[in-house]
Amino acid sequence: GQQLNQSPQSMFIQEGEDVSMNCTSSSIFNTWLWYKQEPGEGPVLLIALYKAGELTSNGRLTAQFGITRKDSFLNISASIPSDVGIYFCAGRSTGNQFYFGTGTSLTVIP
Amino acid sequence: KAGVTQTPRYLIKTRGQQVTLSCSPISGHRSVSWYQQTPGQGLQFLFEYFSETQRNKGNFPGRFSGRQFSNSRSEMNVSTLELGDSALYLCASSLGSTETQYFGPGTRLLVL
Repeated sequence: GQQLNQSPQSMFIQEGEDVSMNCTSSSIFNTWLWYKQEPGEGPVLLIALYKAGELTSNGRLTAQFGITRKDSFLNISASIPSDVGIYFCAGRSTGNQFYFGTGTSLTVIP
Repeated sequence: KAGVTQTPRYLIKTRGQQVTLSCSPISGHRSVSWYQQTPGQGLQFLFEYFSETQRNKGNFPGRFSGRQFSNSRSEMNVSTLELGDSALYLCASSLGSTETQYFGPGTRLLVL
């Protein structure tokens, strides 16, 4: 099935640093979602975006729905060790099907 | 409100066997979607059920099937298991087909 292009694939950062990751698609999406998945668990919803240009925060996390509706960004500020995990973007297409990014693996070094 | 629950959490089967996985959505959610997650392929959409009807289907062989009951609980069945079916199977529920999806913890299936 279709997958979104998510980058970077992995990140190794020092505690306290800011993190940025993004997702792009060749198709227009009506909804962008960002999830975090920890080992052995299912993805947990972090932020949901429903309108082009929308900027939404959840604590140290901020995500934006791109103006073109073909991309989205997630930023994590002042990273801490518990931010470790795999972050997935997901988009809902105009055909109402959800597609997922390939994931960004984040490692935070204390 | 309780989250999405999936049973069993872990399962070991041998090639040729069949398996049934269960998913109970968040109370009030009527849509249930199933995904297969593997390290190489990422999250792949299997199918979606809404009000006991299959709404969407991904690109998987007919060995993969599912159903949804009147209480919105869903089951997924895989027949004639193959080694490549080893994966984490995730269920996600939402209020409706177009609403935000919430995932369960997954069932990890190992086929030997």
